[in-house]
Amino acid sequence: LAKTTQPISMDSYEGQEVNITCSHNNIATNDYITWYQQFPSQGPRFIIQGYKTKVTNEVASLFIPADRKSSTLSLPRVSLSDTAVYYCLVGGYTGGFKTIFGAGTRLFVKA
Amino acid sequence: DGGITQSPKYLFRKEGQNVTLSCEQNLNHDAMYWYRQDPGQGLRLIYYSQIVNDFQKGDIAEGYSVSREKKESFPLTVTSAQKNPTAFYLCASSAALQGLSPLHFGNGTRLTVT
Repeated sequence: LAKTTQPISMDSYEGQEVNITCSHNNIATNDYITWYQQFPSQGPRFIIQGYKTKVTNEVASLFIPADRKSSTLSLPRVSLSDTAVYYCLVGGYTGGFKTIFGAGTRLFVKA
Repeated sequence: DGGITQSPKYLFRKEGQNVTLSCEQNLNHDAMYWYRQDPGQGLRLIYYSQIVNDFQKGDIAEGYSVSREKKESFPLTVTSAQKNPTAFYLCASSAALQGLSPLHFGNGTRLTVT
């Protein structure tokens, strides 16, 4: 099972770029890496997903090195509304379905 | 709008009672999931279903039961055998098994058992 490790919390200021790294040393060949954002008393919301190298969408970028043992979520120019918990998820169907949510990183964006 | 609907948002029960949490999706997704979230912690998988009339235990299935009689519905019953039922319960769906397509979550049901 690919367990994940993320920083417990991070602080940033509005307008800065924020990078959150997730470690997943035991990632399996079929596993994808997915990041979610969660606000209090709401369900998580999908941000971005990737398998290798770099993926970019309108809200974030995901960097995955060749060995895939870690990944970095990059949020450009954060705002106060980006204050949330960010989860790194590693999962896939590898002969037995398991899913591992990281403990999450609490990002606090200050004015 | 397509999405996941969980009801009720808040639920209170007495210890020893079974309670069923509703989850409905209109996304035409095959796979559905139930997660439990405790304060300050991540999500843990309770049950998942790949297709109608089939479901599998997740990491913490003890004390819970599910059914999948219809594609759009995946109710979760928290039984009296669940030792610590008070938690935030999240239902999700995906077009295919997780890892191949993103999860879509509902906004949760907060269950309090006293």
